[in-house]
Amino acid sequence: GAGVSQSPSNKVTEKGKDVELRCDPISGHTALYWYRQSLGQGLEFLIYFQGNSAPDKSGLPSDRFSAERTGGSVSTLTIQRTQQEDSAVYLCASSLYPGAGANVLTFGAGSRLTVL
Amino acid sequence: SQQGEEDPQALSIQEGENATMNCSYKTSINNLQWYRQNSGRGLVHLILIRSNEREKHSGRLRVTLDTSKKSSSLLITASRAADTASYFCATDSWGKLQFGAGTQVVVTP
Repeated sequence: GAGVSQSPSNKVTEKGKDVELRCDPISGHTALYWYRQSLGQGLEFLIYFQGNSAPDKSGLPSDRFSAERTGGSVSTLTIQRTQQEDSAVYLCASSLYPGAGANVLTFGAGSRLTVL
Repeated sequence: SQQGEEDPQALSIQEGENATMNCSYKTSINNLQWYRQNSGRGLVHLILIRSNEREKHSGRLRVTLDTSKKSSSLLITASRAADTASYFCATDSWGKLQFGAGTQVVVTP
């Protein structure tokens, strides 16, 4: 597609429920990132996929968080047994790295998660 | 965890004035980038400076990089109301991009 697409744009859920957030990167982009941004805060790195390499999961805050990337394209971030502190905007970004020589990210509009 | 720290956290200026914000980081990098965010949604890439560069310009933007001090600055000249946004530095350590906490800039007419 022309840009990075994320869905849903807004999700309200009850504490303890599981949620899935989807990211459709720009076609041909080999690198895909997930970040989390709490209200008024910076971006917290969650996970990074690069081609067929094992993902860098070093930013996932707990084992309730997981992500996969199928066929080197669409990615799903899953949060199990959601807690109120999971409320944030989840941002996905993709890039041509390393093909373009520098890792310049194109971001989606984000998925705003509210856990009641 | 966040790699970069921006300073100041917030900046309020009038149209026509220059806005300067700084970023400090901790580890080795191969480039540093600045992004802009409006309304808490997706970020937009502004400018990239490589570790072997000291200064770079793009339109009204000027970025500097001092790898010995592990710091960078972003200058926006002749600011406009439309420059109101949050600005983030991001350090690229060979593929992994990490962002700072951001500087919130408000430009009043």
